[in-house]
Amino acid sequence: DAKTTQPPSMDCAEGRAANLPCNHSTISGNEYVYWYRQIHSQGPQYIIHGLKNNETNEMASLIITEDRKSSTLILPHATLRDTAVYYCIVRSTGNQFYFGTGTSLTVIP
Amino acid sequence: DTEVTQTPKHLVMGMTNKKSLKCEQHMGHRAMYWYKQKAKKPPELMFVYSYEKLSINESVPSRFSPECPNSSLLNLHLHALQPEDSALYLCASSHHWVDRRYTDTQYFGPGTRLTVL
Repeated sequence: DAKTTQPPSMDCAEGRAANLPCNHSTISGNEYVYWYRQIHSQGPQYIIHGLKNNETNEMASLIITEDRKSSTLILPHATLRDTAVYYCIVRSTGNQFYFGTGTSLTVIP
Repeated sequence: DTEVTQTPKHLVMGMTNKKSLKCEQHMGHRAMYWYKQKAKKPPELMFVYSYEKLSINESVPSRFSPECPNSSLLNLHLHALQPEDSALYLCASSHHWVDRRYTDTQYFGPGTRLTVL
């Protein structure tokens, strides 16, 4: 079952940073936070994941609060191609992913 | 290479037809998954295969029959479907979570858009 809460939609101006929040207040110590995005009718695309520490890769940064009850995905310079539904997923041991309802991000020119 | 391929891209079938969806990966992943996604909804997990054995069935109706003939291939056999089964069917794969040498990030294919008439 999904264990995350995200705002249903957000807008971001092109070229600005997009900050997407996620609440996962019931997360336990060995559960990872994953972020995926899905551009219209395509398969979900992996973005980033983390356990406790902040993480950065070529696509985005993931900031996890010290109590691990929430996290923020940061797209540093949003482009029109970043318009998508962004899913925050808490993964338990085992291989199951349970998607929440996600945030629909619209990047505005 | 993190590619998962799915065929066909689109499928239209009648309620009495039998058809199959195919998924393939060559990343050495030993966990494979089927998800179903209805319009404007998140993907829902259907089945998980671990080392070619079915490990999770999320109470999916028997008209959906998964098969994992080898470590690279995953099939979903469809029979006597209903119009409400029309959806995007997604396949994913990952290293198995017990293998701590690797991250078990799931990689998704592009999906098969299924329409049941």
